[in-house]
Amino acid sequence: RKEVEQDPGPFNVPEGATVAFNCTYSNSASQSFFWYRQDCRKEPKLLMSVYSSGNEDGRFTAQLNRASQYISLLIRDSKLSDSATYLCVVPSGNTGKLIFGQGTTLQVKP
Amino acid sequence: DTEVTQTPKHLVMGMTNKKSLKCEQHMGHRAMYWYKQKAKKPPELMFVYSYEKLSINESVPSRFSPECPNSSLLNLHLHALQPEDSALYLCASSPLNQGFQETQYFGPGTRLLVL
Repeated sequence: RKEVEQDPGPFNVPEGATVAFNCTYSNSASQSFFWYRQDCRKEPKLLMSVYSSGNEDGRFTAQLNRASQYISLLIRDSKLSDSATYLCVVPSGNTGKLIFGQGTTLQVKP
Repeated sequence: DTEVTQTPKHLVMGMTNKKSLKCEQHMGHRAMYWYKQKAKKPPELMFVYSYEKLSINESVPSRFSPECPNSSLLNLHLHALQPEDSALYLCASSPLNQGFQETQYFGPGTRLLVL
């Protein structure tokens, strides 16, 4: 089993749709989780941090299920500008190493 | 100011050249990182510096040589690279206020092409 696993997609959705991505992780001792967004040929940028059960920021909601070891990202009212790759990221203990999922590609169409 | 800067933005070099990538942050972060990213793949960690000391080397070939002159600067010296080393090289930093469980902030990257 991969340490961090995501469905690569692509997810093709119309504007205004609600879309959800799931990410599973293997290390049950993990304490913090991140969703990064990466646009084509750009650097990853932090979208949300999750330290407890979840986090909400405007149209974006991240939920953590420790029992099942997955994190989800929900995007409501999708915009064209939400088109990007979304990376699920879990620190590897206290080493400084981040474990990245393969990324989920989202295409929002008019 | 959550900005990490990198220079140059683009670099083309031959296999016999020596070049350096530079990274700078003024957020007072005490950990800095080098990553390599190939197209359609996630970033791969190369090196971690904490408190200006190298703490992780992910078995990176010696043709890549990192250097941390001070707490704000991180360099990556390149020598005798191979075409397969062509990639986006990303620098990142993190505060270390809560150990390594914190967010890392990425610079815009240097896009390297080795001919």
